[in-house]
Amino acid sequence: TQLLEQSPQFLSIQEGENLTVYCNSSSVFSSLQWYRQEPGEGPVLLVTVVTGGEVKKLKRLTFQFGDARKDSSLHITAAQPGDTGLYLCAGNFGNEKLTFGTGTRLTIIP
Amino acid sequence: EADIYQTPRYLVIGTGKKITLECSQTMGHDKMYWYQQDPGMELHLIHYSYGVNSTEKGDLSSESTVSRIRTEHFPLTLESARPSHTSQYLCASSKTSGSSFSQYFGPGTRLTVT
Repeated sequence: TQLLEQSPQFLSIQEGENLTVYCNSSSVFSSLQWYRQEPGEGPVLLVTVVTGGEVKKLKRLTFQFGDARKDSSLHITAAQPGDTGLYLCAGNFGNEKLTFGTGTRLTIIP
Repeated sequence: EADIYQTPRYLVIGTGKKITLECSQTMGHDKMYWYQQDPGMELHLIHYSYGVNSTEKGDLSSESTVSRIRTEHFPLTLESARPSHTSQYLCASSKTSGSSFSQYFGPGTRLTVT
């Protein structure tokens, strides 16, 4: 069974600060997705990364896929209250299913 | 923007009732999934389908059943609801492009069994 560990589990920072959350696995991903989920809603896909070393940017969010395709990070610059939510990474191991991480609950304090 | 819909969004029902949670997608995706998620917890796959007339059980054992008679429709049924079934149920569909796999979620159904 493939496991994804996310860290930190909880993060509370002031508006305007930068932050990074991490997603790690002992197995190699075929591809990896990052989602953000608001309470009571379904996860919203933010990005899919496929190639080792790949970096993708989505406004103030920067996603990086590790060279060995076993880890990923999400960096947010100048965090805003609208960034508050549960951030989930999910790995695909080539079997058309996703394994989800435990999530990072982010709170941005105005 | 993902075109995947779930109804109802909220359901409160008594023990022993039969319920069906609806899920539809208009993206023509072959693969569809049902997840169960308790508040603040991780998602657990309970059913998936790779196409019409194909259904499989997921990693988390569930007393629910699913059917896939049409590509766009993947309903989940509980024959006799119990309080232990109280949870959020999320439907998803996916597409594969080369080695890239992307999954899109509906808004979820929050089920409460009293």
